[in-house]
Amino acid sequence: DGGITQSPKYLFRKEGQNVTLSCEQNLNHDAMYWYRQDPGQGLRLIYYSQIVNDFQKGDIAEGYSVSREKKESFPLTVTSAQKNPTAFYLCASSKKQAAYGYTFGSGTRLTVV
Amino acid sequence: AQKITQTQPGMFVQEKEAVTLDCTYDTSDQSYGLFWYKQPSSGEMIFLIYQGSYDEQNATEGRYSLNFQKARKSANLVISASQLGDSAMYFCAMRERGTGANSKLTFGKGITLSVRP
Repeated sequence: DGGITQSPKYLFRKEGQNVTLSCEQNLNHDAMYWYRQDPGQGLRLIYYSQIVNDFQKGDIAEGYSVSREKKESFPLTVTSAQKNPTAFYLCASSKKQAAYGYTFGSGTRLTVV
Repeated sequence: AQKITQTQPGMFVQEKEAVTLDCTYDTSDQSYGLFWYKQPSSGEMIFLIYQGSYDEQNATEGRYSLNFQKARKSANLVISASQLGDSAMYFCAMRERGTGANSKLTFGKGITLSVRP
């Protein structure tokens, strides 16, 4: 079955370290997205990519970086420059057309220790 | 300006009763899609229902229906016969066609629904 896979489910990071969150999809979707969610809050867009080798900043890109070398993969790196990285991170993918919503991964919960 | 507005505080409903979750939106596009997602405590986002701006009939998916009032720019979710498993956070979202290749979903802040036994 097609889907979108995020790993790991839980991640612990020491202050000052970079960590990379994995997101892979086999839905043949062109677009992929990363969102951050804080407890009891909505989703905030970090980065998105509409095509391989191209990506755009979302609303809260500072302290994060991404790459899109393959259509199936869109990893997110949380750098040491991100001041408050403890959050729940959701990856999503979609077709480009407006009639299509997003398919989400199951999320990664990142905690800074 | 907010494009998707969900202003209800936490909602409570008795099991087996119906509940309406409010959503209003703002767009100048004529072509757009409206979506509702459910997020249980596990964190996954589950797609519930879709309404296209040109659809004349209100969308329905099992116990979920979307009360679409285009002139009022509202897209309320109605859950009939609530079940304990419906307790979750619910997000309304819109995707406009006008921005073409950069068309993205815009989410509301969400509404927490608790179903009482």
